[in-house]
Amino acid sequence: GQQLNQSPQSMFIQEGEDVSMNCTSSSIFNTWLWYKQDPGEGPVLLIALYKAGELTSNGRLTAQFGITRKDSFLNISASIPSDVGIYFCAGHFQGAQKLVFGQGTRLTINP
Amino acid sequence: SAVISQKPSRDICQRGTSLTIQCQVDSQVTMMFWYRQQPGQSLTLIATANQGSEATYESGFVIDKFPISRPNLTFSTLTVSNMSPEDSSIYLCSVGDREGSPLHFGNGTRLTVT
Repeated sequence: GQQLNQSPQSMFIQEGEDVSMNCTSSSIFNTWLWYKQDPGEGPVLLIALYKAGELTSNGRLTAQFGITRKDSFLNISASIPSDVGIYFCAGHFQGAQKLVFGQGTRLTINP
Repeated sequence: SAVISQKPSRDICQRGTSLTIQCQVDSQVTMMFWYRQQPGQSLTLIATANQGSEATYESGFVIDKFPISRPNLTFSTLTVSNMSPEDSSIYLCSVGDREGSPLHFGNGTRLTVT
């Protein structure tokens, strides 16, 4: 079926470390999106990717749309306390209107 | 991006009752969707709110349980009917400019059913 597999489910890191998370699917995507959700709030869009191979940065965040169009990664460099939260990948499958979400990666940072 | 306001932000309801959640956007939007986020889980699409016509529901969600209205391009409501504790979730309104565009989310309605 149309599923996104996001990993890792959780990460416990030290402040200043780099972070990497990814999403994979057996289906082809037309878009890949990365969101962050803080407690008590809705998801906020971080990065949107539209083309295979596209590499896009937003400050300390970098994301890439995989060449096969079936995967994407998000990297966060030099993590800071405000990076704590849940990160979701999401995407539009080829030929589908709806946006589907990965299971999320919960990031915890030890000061 | 559009500013999305949801009301109420949270509620505690008795089982068997119904709750209507409102979503107001500060600009006209083409696409409006309702998602559910169960505790500690990801987001699951409930339905697409179509302006002037019946909503399009995803597998596992039905109109009798989750009736949706969308009278214009800036407003929609989701009703959670005949609630049970299993309906305790965050319900999120989201909007998009066009098909395939990123969605922007409201802050959600945190529903607890006792």
